[in-house]
Amino acid sequence: DGGITQSPKYLFRKEGQNVTLSCEQNLNHDAMYWYRQDPGQGLRLIYYSQIVNDFQKGDIAEGYSVSREKKESFPLTVTSAQKNPTAFYLCASSTPALRGGASYQPQHFGDGTRLSIL
Amino acid sequence: EDKVVQSPLSLVVHEGDTVTLNCSYEVTNFRSLLWYKQEKKAPTFLFMLTSSGIEKKSGRLSSILDKKELFSILNITATQTGDSAVYLCSVTGTASKLTFGTGTRLQVTL
Repeated sequence: DGGITQSPKYLFRKEGQNVTLSCEQNLNHDAMYWYRQDPGQGLRLIYYSQIVNDFQKGDIAEGYSVSREKKESFPLTVTSAQKNPTAFYLCASSTPALRGGASYQPQHFGDGTRLSIL
Repeated sequence: EDKVVQSPLSLVVHEGDTVTLNCSYEVTNFRSLLWYKQEKKAPTFLFMLTSSGIEKKSGRLSSILDKKELFSILNITATQTGDSAVYLCSVTGTASKLTFGTGTRLQVTL
């Protein structure tokens, strides 16, 4: 079955440590997204990528980095510069609806990674 | 900056009740409004609305968009305990991204 796989489901980070969250999709979607969800809040966009080897900052990119070397993969690194990383991280993908990468097709989500500070 | 406001923030109803969830938005060059249901992990897609006044319906759930007044409602009739979830509203505009509201947490009790 096609879908989005995020790993690990739970992750713990020590102070000063970088950690990487994995996101893989086999839906053949061009666009991929990373969101952060805090308790009682909606999803906030961290980074998104419309095409391989290209990505843009979202609303809360500081302290995070991404890469898009393959269409299927969009890993997110939470760096030590992110002072409050404890949250639920969701990866999503979609097919761009229009040329130029503007996507308003429904996004498919992974099951998320819950990151906590040790 | 695009903005989505959902109300109420939370709601508790009895099984069988009808509920209406609200979503208002401000977005540059509106393209679409999407509703999602989030139970424990991944949000699941419910509806995508692009045109005013056209109701989308799926079983007991329905939704409609008013592009003049910049809002949408999600109705659930004859609620069941399985409807308990957080319902998320999102919009897309000029930028190729979704902006989400904080969600409405619905709890359906027996």
